[in-house]
Amino acid sequence: GESVGLHLPTLSVQEGDNSIINCAYSNSASDYFIWYKQESGKGPQFIIDIRSNMDKRQGQRVTVLLNKTVKHLSLQIAATQPGDSAVYFCAETLRGSTLGRLYFGRGTQLTVWP
Amino acid sequence: NAGVMQNPRHLVRRRGQEARLRCSPMKGHSHVYWYRQLPEEGLKFMVYLQKENIIDESGMPKERFSAEFPKEGPSILRIQQVVRGDSAAYFCASSQGSGVDTQYFGPGTRLTVL
Repeated sequence: GESVGLHLPTLSVQEGDNSIINCAYSNSASDYFIWYKQESGKGPQFIIDIRSNMDKRQGQRVTVLLNKTVKHLSLQIAATQPGDSAVYFCAETLRGSTLGRLYFGRGTQLTVWP
Repeated sequence: NAGVMQNPRHLVRRRGQEARLRCSPMKGHSHVYWYRQLPEEGLKFMVYLQKENIIDESGMPKERFSAEFPKEGPSILRIQQVVRGDSAAYFCASSQGSGVDTQYFGPGTRLTVL
């Protein structure tokens, strides 16, 4: 299943399917992007990050794709599991920033059905 | 390795009281960030501190809010004369360096103002 993070805040998928969570950003000066997972009642948990000089980065079961032309970021989760159910946020920092301030998107609620 | 620690996890205050939120960064981290999260929204940056210094407080309201990170002890976010609109989850993150260093989040303090 797919979602556009800011316009479709919920995504439901069957266990074992692949999930794609999308995020649009507006600032062309954004330089560093991070995906966080937040389970109910907990703090955001780092999943994967990517710098603007890259198009793709892979982790364990997760892949982040960055399309700077259309200012679009996506998180792909392979073989989604019930434990992946959470809200997923994309966050960004600005190029050349030494301040580290993160700008968060609204988030997408991922629900995985057994 | 202990992660970022925050206490209390839940805090209830009546209007006009003071709220003190504490954050102990990960071992070896000297950069602390505070974020606020309203229900069903992303995190909003408040303030960035290093030991004994406020680096960026541009996201923190000028009135009633203050933050510190002393040489010894945890970082403190202080809210004076709380109002109902201050009810939110407050998250602390820490990083080893500034700029694009990964920020790791604590479990948050959920403040409820009656």
